[in-house]
Amino acid sequence: GQQVMQIPQYQHVQEGEDFTTYCNSSTTLSNIQWYKQRPGGHPVFLIQLVKSGEVKKQKRLTFQFGEAKKNSSLHITATQTTDVGTYFCAGGGSNDMRFGAGTRLTVKP
Amino acid sequence: GAGVSQSPRYKVTKRGQDVTLRCDPISSHATLYWYQQALGQGPEFLTYFNYEAQPDKSGLPSDRFSAERPEGSISTLTIQRTEQRDSAMYRCASSLDRGSYEQYFGPGTRLTVT
Repeated sequence: GQQVMQIPQYQHVQEGEDFTTYCNSSTTLSNIQWYKQRPGGHPVFLIQLVKSGEVKKQKRLTFQFGEAKKNSSLHITATQTTDVGTYFCAGGGSNDMRFGAGTRLTVKP
Repeated sequence: GAGVSQSPRYKVTKRGQDVTLRCDPISSHATLYWYQQALGQGPEFLTYFNYEAQPDKSGLPSDRFSAERPEGSISTLTIQRTEQRDSAMYRCASSLDRGSYEQYFGPGTRLTVT
């Protein structure tokens, strides 16, 4: 069945440094969603990408969907302490959404 | 309602007991999902409902797990004869419809089986 792999598992950065997490699927995805889960909280929707090669920006966050619709990335420019949390991708297949294991980001002030 | 609610927030039960978890989705949402989330992992799909229909149960780990949504709103997840490996956070999410819609997650129920 569809599997979504996410790397790295952990990332520790100094405040102001950039951060990137990658999501890869074994099958072509119809769409991909990104969620953020703060420590002790629940996943909160960030964005959805649908088109091949799509790029979307939200302030310091840049989301990309690969040309083959099998991979995606989230890049944060100049991290802040408020960016701390776990970032999940969720890949949409023909019938379901599958979440990656997440990348846990910690930021040292 | 204002958001997705779940109850109880915490449940401690002894091995072999049955437990029932409840999810109250956003009232306008047709689709409801159940996930199991282990510590440090992403939400693992269990099952979903479109109104009261349950098209996909493929994620349920065993026949000890069952879910209902009889009137297309509130849903329950029941685990029979609980085992220690069932200990996890159980999350419910709802969305407007099936497919490319964002999911709104509830706070989860932390289940501990002793």
